[in-house]
Amino acid sequence: NAGVTQTPKFQVLKTGQSMTLQCAQDMNHEYMSWYRQDPGMGLRLIHYSVGAGITDQGEVPNGYNVSRSTTEDFPLRLLSAAPSQTSVYFCASRGPGLASSTDTQYFGPGTRLTVL
Amino acid sequence: SQKIEQNSEALNIQEGKTATLTCNYTNYSPAYLQWYRQDPGRGPVFLLLIRENEKEKRKERLKVTFDTTLKQSLFHITASQPADSATYLCALRGNQFYFGTGTSLTVIP
Repeated sequence: NAGVTQTPKFQVLKTGQSMTLQCAQDMNHEYMSWYRQDPGMGLRLIHYSVGAGITDQGEVPNGYNVSRSTTEDFPLRLLSAAPSQTSVYFCASRGPGLASSTDTQYFGPGTRLTVL
Repeated sequence: SQKIEQNSEALNIQEGKTATLTCNYTNYSPAYLQWYRQDPGRGPVFLLLIRENEKEKRKERLKVTFDTTLKQSLFHITASQPADSATYLCALRGNQFYFGTGTSLTVIP
């Protein structure tokens, strides 16, 4: 199993541009989430999904959009990038699924985004 | 929302000693608390989970305690090694997950 994969690894955007951060998992997990990590702020939840077709907002959802059309994929869209969205973005998934506890979150390697 | 404080932004200890990291939280007591390890440039990796009705959990050289009265969890690494150097995050499970800012641990040979 590849676990949780994220693309791209690095991205530079100009203010106002839009882009989609990709996240996929092959563990058949129902729960997926997106976090951003900023210095001194810790990981903050942006959006999450408890299954295909179901999404909800986390702590810092403004400026981001998500959808969940399949169990495997959970893309994060930046509609109009702003410098305040410069951060490291992590996708995570959680069971039940293949040989995993429902309580353990598995994180992807992250996407480093810079907005100029 | 839940507020989480991890004491000591950076902790340096000698190899072989026990490292103790602290996680304090406010507001309601969570259903459970988790500890993660994060290496530079990588995503967090799950280490241990302790539930509100458990006082202590162990896994090899790792030990976690959970005091719901003090609203505190302690994370211990015994017989520390340079390979244990990393940032350690605590996370609480309430209606969603809340993470602390982490403690950077350096084990000096």
